Amino acid sequence: AQSVTQLDSHVSVSEGTPVLLRCNYSSSYSPSLFWYVQHPNKGLQLLLKYTSAATLVKGINGFEAEFKKSETSFHLTKPSAHMSDAAEYFCVVSHFTGGFKTIFGAGTRLFVKA
Amino acid sequence: DSGVTQTPKHLITATGQRVTLRCSPRSGDLSVYWYQQSLDQGLQFLIHYYNGEERAKGNILERFSAQQFPDLHSELNLSSLELGDSALYFCASSRGTGLIIMNTGELFFGEGSRLTVL
Repeated sequence: AQSVTQLDSHVSVSEGTPVLLRCNYSSSYSPSLFWYVQHPNKGLQLLLKYTSAATLVKGINGFEAEFKKSETSFHLTKPSAHMSDAAEYFCVVSHFTGGFKTIFGAGTRLFVKA
Repeated sequence: DSGVTQTPKHLITATGQRVTLRCSPRSGDLSVYWYQQSLDQGLQFLIHYYNGEERAKGNILERFSAQQFPDLHSELNLSSLELGDSALYFCASSRGTGLIIMNTGELFFGEGSRLTVL
């Protein structure tokens, strides 16, 4: 069975400090992994994606994620948080079995303090 | 701008009523997905259409139905509305499903239709 677990429902950081949003997945297939961001009252926007190429993936706005197969993790990081990073972040796993099945994590809300 | 258009952006209606939400996917995308997002349930997958055919169903109530038209736009119909149906309804599109090699499963989301049932 496929699943996605976002280990923290809320994360609070100070502006200028590192961000770590944790995601573990379970998949019997070779998955594609994504992080999406949702700002208040907006749709979800793709931050970055892993599709079996380089394990360290760079995304928009300075975010990165590293695919670690041995740990079944795909944690999202950013060296220095900005106030505009405050949003909800979703870890997503997608795999192809006669059609793409996409599973969303429950989301992590990131708060950034001035 | 994702290229996915949803209308209306906001809708207020009464219990027992029926509404239709519309989604136009990105140009060239054959797949349309509907999601419901509420505070207590989070993001819930409702249904997936590919090139006019239903491909997968998620947690979609029997009071809800959807279709995808020949021009690939999709409509989500919600009937006999209840207070608990108040939510943000998202449409997403993707290149396709099946034999399209470059399809990675990436989804492109519209900005949503916020439904308030009073």
